[in-house]
Amino acid sequence: DGGITQSPKYLFRKEGQNVTLSCEQNLNHDAMYWYRQDPGQGLRLIYYSQIVNDFQKGDIAEGYSVSREKKESFPLTVTSAQKNPTAFYLCASSPVAARGELFFGEGSRLTVL
Amino acid sequence: AQRVTQPEKLLSVFKGAPVELKCNYSYSGSPELFWYVQYSRQRLQLLLRHISRESIKGFTADLNKGETSFHLKKPFAQEEDSAMYYCALRMDSSYKLIFGSGTRLLVRP
Repeated sequence: DGGITQSPKYLFRKEGQNVTLSCEQNLNHDAMYWYRQDPGQGLRLIYYSQIVNDFQKGDIAEGYSVSREKKESFPLTVTSAQKNPTAFYLCASSPVAARGELFFGEGSRLTVL
Repeated sequence: AQRVTQPEKLLSVFKGAPVELKCNYSYSGSPELFWYVQYSRQRLQLLLRHISRESIKGFTADLNKGETSFHLKKPFAQEEDSAMYYCALRMDSSYKLIFGSGTRLLVRP
């Protein structure tokens, strides 16, 4: 079954803890993205990666980190430096030939207690 | 800075009425515009892109560079069109895609 898989679907963490959200794709797409979705603010870009071992900051990268060691995987770490981490996080991928045509995962909801 | 603006948070229409979801962008280069849709309990998905100039599910959108707009239109709304709609901008040859804040369309029977 092809597509984008995000895990976990729901995650709770205590303040001061780092947490890593997983994103895997088997679509053979080169580009991958992480967005944060908050009510009334739409989707805001955290990080994106055009190719393995390379990634760029989006508009709200502070307090987040990523890695792209494999084409299929683009994990996002929400660090304790992120001031307001409670949110819904969406991962997406895109083929080189159709930049802008993103395929999205189901999302991960992170709640900081 | 590049920006996508969707001025309406909620648009409510009756079934059969025309629909226009507004999208304005700010970008001085060559933009590529998209509309994405999220139906209840489904993933966010691409609806249409301006380059294709196609009609999807009866929706069309024309890029107006003079007015920097990319409004989404449908002549006769259906109840199944109720969803969250996002306008998105890609700049020149970049992979970066910027989204607007979204408009919730509610089509009432």
